[in-house]
Amino acid sequence: DTEVTQTPKHLVMGMTNKKSLKCEQHMGHRAMYWYKQKAKKPPELMFVYSYEKLSINESVPSRFSPECPNSSLLNLHLHALQPEDSALYLCAVKRAGTEPGELFFGEGSRLTVL
Amino acid sequence: GQQVMQIPQYQHVQEGEDFTTYCNSSTTLSNIQWYKQRPGGHPVFLIQLVKSGEVKKQKRLTFQFGEAKKNSSLHITATQTTDVGTYFCAGLLLGGNTGKLIFGQGTTLQVKP
Repeated sequence: DTEVTQTPKHLVMGMTNKKSLKCEQHMGHRAMYWYKQKAKKPPELMFVYSYEKLSINESVPSRFSPECPNSSLLNLHLHALQPEDSALYLCAVKRAGTEPGELFFGEGSRLTVL
Repeated sequence: GQQVMQIPQYQHVQEGEDFTTYCNSSTTLSNIQWYKQRPGGHPVFLIQLVKSGEVKKQKRLTFQFGEAKKNSSLHITATQTTDVGTYFCAGLLLGGNTGKLIFGQGTTLQVKP
């Protein structure tokens, strides 16, 4: 059982499409992350939200647009993606602040761009 | 830039053999975490090490954090087929008010029954 829910689990989109990935958590954690993971590679940090404000953007192309409407939801809006953007997109949450703490990952959304 | 290197990339063992993966950082880490990702799954937290020289055990798994807080290891005694997966170390770098976790490349473990 996961307390971080991601939808959809699978998404196929064309390069001209606009789609969104959604992440919902009910753990009350105020740090929320988007990671991108290619096959046989580690998760690669994209964005971090802390208390619903964007705190880290790892120089991600603007075709990826994150949004944090409230403390339970995290979205990743996708537009004009390239085939090389095909990957597993993972949402994760953690207690905010500088204290160490584990990341709780969702099961991911597997994206294929045609 | 800041990197966390992990070796080996792959390891094939016979069931019952031991397994070790090593993690090295170019900079001193605040802490280090270990995650396991089963094939087709998502990373799942195993443990966190914070103190210099810390050693923690979870059943057959032993985790160590180096004295300089730049390296770490995970050792599995007497592997089982359920240990199959990719093991990632992840180092925490402090940034703003939320830590930035950098993952190592991972070690994929295959266990032959």
